[in-house]
Amino acid sequence: GGIITQTPKFLIGQEGQKLTLKCQQNFNHDTMYWYRQDSGKGLRLIYYSITENDLQKGDLSEGYDASREKKSSFSLTVTSAQKNEMAVFLCASSILGGNAEQFFGPGTRLTVL
Amino acid sequence: GEKVEQHESTLSVREGDSAVINCTYTDTASSYFPWYKQEAGKGLHFVIDIRSNVDRKQSQRLIVLLDKKAKRFSLHITATQPEDSAIYFCAANSNTGNYKYVFGAGTRLKVIA
Repeated sequence: GGIITQTPKFLIGQEGQKLTLKCQQNFNHDTMYWYRQDSGKGLRLIYYSITENDLQKGDLSEGYDASREKKSSFSLTVTSAQKNEMAVFLCASSILGGNAEQFFGPGTRLTVL
Repeated sequence: GEKVEQHESTLSVREGDSAVINCTYTDTASSYFPWYKQEAGKGLHFVIDIRSNVDRKQSQRLIVLLDKKAKRFSLHITATQPEDSAIYFCAANSNTGNYKYVFGAGTRLKVIA
């Protein structure tokens, strides 16, 4: 088995601040994802990385940057935090090829003051 | 693009009864339909999936049905137990590739003992 670790668990920032969320997986998966979960809504894909040197935008990439530092880690940066961005950010990983089970981390809850 | 609608936002059933959660999708090209469970304060956990080459799949107490003509798929949880209480999300792969899923808004299932 494996595990996905997200840090920090809670992140409080100021409006306009640049904030970074980190994700590590030890499944040895090629593909990693960042999703945003707003209360009462489904998950929306922000960025994904099919392999270590790849970066792809999801449907919600505006206002975010991502970086795949190595196979096991994938970071997400909120470039300028906005009050309407209070949400839970979920990282996931899967095997190469897609159409497969994604393994999720516990999430980072972002609050913008 | 693909849209996934999850019809029940909340569902309450008595322990031992069956629960059914229904989803519809819009893109006839979608071919992969996973279901995820989210317990309070945790990330999503894969429960079962179905691919478009079959119309039924069962894993222990979970049954997934797929009606491609109606663009509808459903999760049936039989002999429900209190630990089945959680939020369930359906998803479908998008027409832009195997790595992008569109999620429904979630169904909060409560199993009453």
